[in-house]
Amino acid sequence: DTGVSQDPRHKITKRGQNVTFRCDPISEHNRLYWYRQTLGQGPEFLTYFQNEAQLEKSRLLSDRFSAERPKGSFSTLEIQRTEQGDSAMYLCASRTLAGQGTFTDTQYFGPGTRLTVL
Amino acid sequence: EDKVVQSPLSLVVHEGDTVTLNCSYEVTNFRSLLWYKQEKKAPTFLFMLTSSGIEKKSGRLSSILDKKELFSILNITATQTGDSAVYLCGGGSNYKLTFGKGTLLTVNP
Repeated sequence: DTGVSQDPRHKITKRGQNVTFRCDPISEHNRLYWYRQTLGQGPEFLTYFQNEAQLEKSRLLSDRFSAERPKGSFSTLEIQRTEQGDSAMYLCASRTLAGQGTFTDTQYFGPGTRLTVL
Repeated sequence: EDKVVQSPLSLVVHEGDTVTLNCSYEVTNFRSLLWYKQEKKAPTFLFMLTSSGIEKKSGRLSSILDKKELFSILNITATQTGDSAVYLCGGGSNYKLTFGKGTLLTVNP
C-alpha cells in the first residue's frame, strides 16, 4: 500500500491550453474523489467515483472539466481551455466503501497537482 | 448548502502552550467529522468522530464532537514547532467532505 499518488506534481500552462492530471488511489479503495484547493481555503469537492461510475459532480465543475475512471482504478481530470482562475492545487483522495456496521468515511489524500495558468 | 466554519483562522503560540481549535458545521445527512493536518503538502488524517461526547486521543492531540451543538474542538497540549500547520475540519455526509478554511497554527520556539 503506497498511498494515493498523483501525477504530475506541478503543471505550468498557458491560458487556453488543455491539461490532464492523473490519480492512482490506494489499491482496493473503490471511492475516489477530486478536490480543488486555493490559497487560504480548504479543499472544495469537485466530483467522486464509486468504482468506474461518476456519482456526483459539484456545480464548481464547469463544462471545461471532465473526469474519468474507466476501469475503476486510476482516474484522470482534464481541464480544457484553461483560465487563470483554474490555478489551484488539485487533490485526489480515496476511501473504502463502509462495511456493514462501520463508518469508514476517512479519505486519504494524495500529494496534489499544483496547476499554474499563465 | 453545507457549511463548515473554523475559528480562529490563525493562531500564534509559544512552544509548550495548549491550543484549542474550533469547528462548527451544518452538513446535510451528516455522518462524521474529520480533522486533518496540512503542512506544505496534502492533508494527513488525524481523527474521525461520529459520536457525541467521546474523546479521541492521539498523543498530545485530542478531539471531541458535540452533535447537538454541531461543534467539534481539537486540542493540542504542550505544542511543539512541528505542530505548525493548517488544521482542517471536514464535515462528512454520505458521499463527500465539506471543509472549513482551516486554522493556521504557528508554534514559535
